[in-house]
Parts: sequence; C-alpha cells; structure tokens
Amino acid sequence: EAQVTQNPRYLITVTGKKLTVTCSQNMNHEYMSWYRQDPGLGLRQIYYSMNVEVTDKGDVPEGYKVSRKEKRNFPLILESPSPNQTSLYFCASSLDFGGSGTYEQYFGPGTRLTVT
Amino acid sequence: GIQVEQSPPDLILQEGANSTLRCNFSDSVNNLQWFHQNPWGQLINLFYIPSGTKQNGRLSATTVATERYSLLYISSSQTTDSGVYFCAVRSGGSYIPTFGRGTSLIVHP
Repeated sequence: EAQVTQNPRYLITVTGKKLTVTCSQNMNHEYMSWYRQDPGLGLRQIYYSMNVEVTDKGDVPEGYKVSRKEKRNFPLILESPSPNQTSLYFCASSLDFGGSGTYEQYFGPGTRLTVT
Repeated sequence: GIQVEQSPPDLILQEGANSTLRCNFSDSVNNLQWFHQNPWGQLINLFYIPSGTKQNGRLSATTVATERYSLLYISSSQTTDSGVYFCAVRSGGSYIPTFGRGTSLIVHP
C-alpha cells in the first residue's frame, strides 16, 4: 500500500530534550516536506527536500533541522524543543515539484507533539 | 507572497444537503489541491486541480485559473463529510505551497 508513515504519532516531552520525528514514504517520491498545523494559523511548511541531500527552508524553519540521506526518509529534528513548538506535525511527499503537474501531495497521519 | 482565502469559514448542513466551498487566490497558480481533514486529524487528498473540472463521486471541483478561484462542490452531504476542507496553491517560481485557513463543515444527521 502506498503511504507516508510518521513516528511517533503522539509525543509529550520536556523543554530542551532533543527529539526526532521520523517520516518514510514507499512511493519513490522525490519531494518531501514537513508542516506544522496550529489553531488559527493553518498549515505552514517547515522544510522541504527536492531530493537526496537537497533540503531548503520553508516558511517557519526556526528551531528545526532536517536531513535527507535516503530518498524514502525525511526525519524532522528538534534539537532543543520549546513549548512554542507544541503543535500537530505532518510529513508529506509528492512525485516531484516541477511544472509537469505531478505536484499532488500525500500526507502522513500526523504527529501530535507537546513540549512542557 | 500569494494570498489564499477560503469561504465560508464555517458551514453547518443537514445530511442530504448540497454545498459549495470557495477558494480565492491573489496570483496566478500552476498548482492547486483540495484536502479534507477529518475529525481525527488525517489529511486526505480530494483533488489536484490547477485548472478545469474534476468529479469523484459526490464531490466535484472546478478551478478557473484566469479568474483566480476554485470551487469544491459537495452533493448529498453525509455525516462523514464533516471536517475541515483546505485548498493549497503554488504559484510559479515558488516551491512552498500556501494553504488557505480552511472551511469547517459539520453535517448533522
């Protein structure tokens, strides 16, 4: 089954304790991205990756890191989480992001993160 | 950057009713997608529709790119249609999609 998976689905942690949220897709997609969703602010992109070893900042990258060492995986790293990073996080992938029209994004199930 | 406005922000329907959701955008786009976020938070693709009309069962969508809007039609609504509907667009030269704030739909039995 074609899918985007994220782990963990729920996480409660404390300020400053490094954490990683994993994301994996099995569709051989080139483009992957991370979003956070907050009430009243909607979905905002954190980072995206056009392909292996190619990443770039989205709208709200502060406090986050990413890496793309393999095509299928795109982990999100919070090196020193703070309470303002409490949010619902989504990973997404698409075949590519070019003008060919294959932009259709597929989302993972979401990770609900609480930082106390 | 591009602005995306969705209307109405909230919608309450009785089961069986029809509805139209609108997405206006401030610049030309080459990508537009409609999503449904169900009450459990899952984001589900509905349509990839930068232009033209598509239909999938009770749902259909039309994008008039030259006039900078897209419409999502829901016919014979069901309680399972409840949730938030988002449109997301990307304009030429940007790799970052912009999401609207969504339309929250509640369908009562």
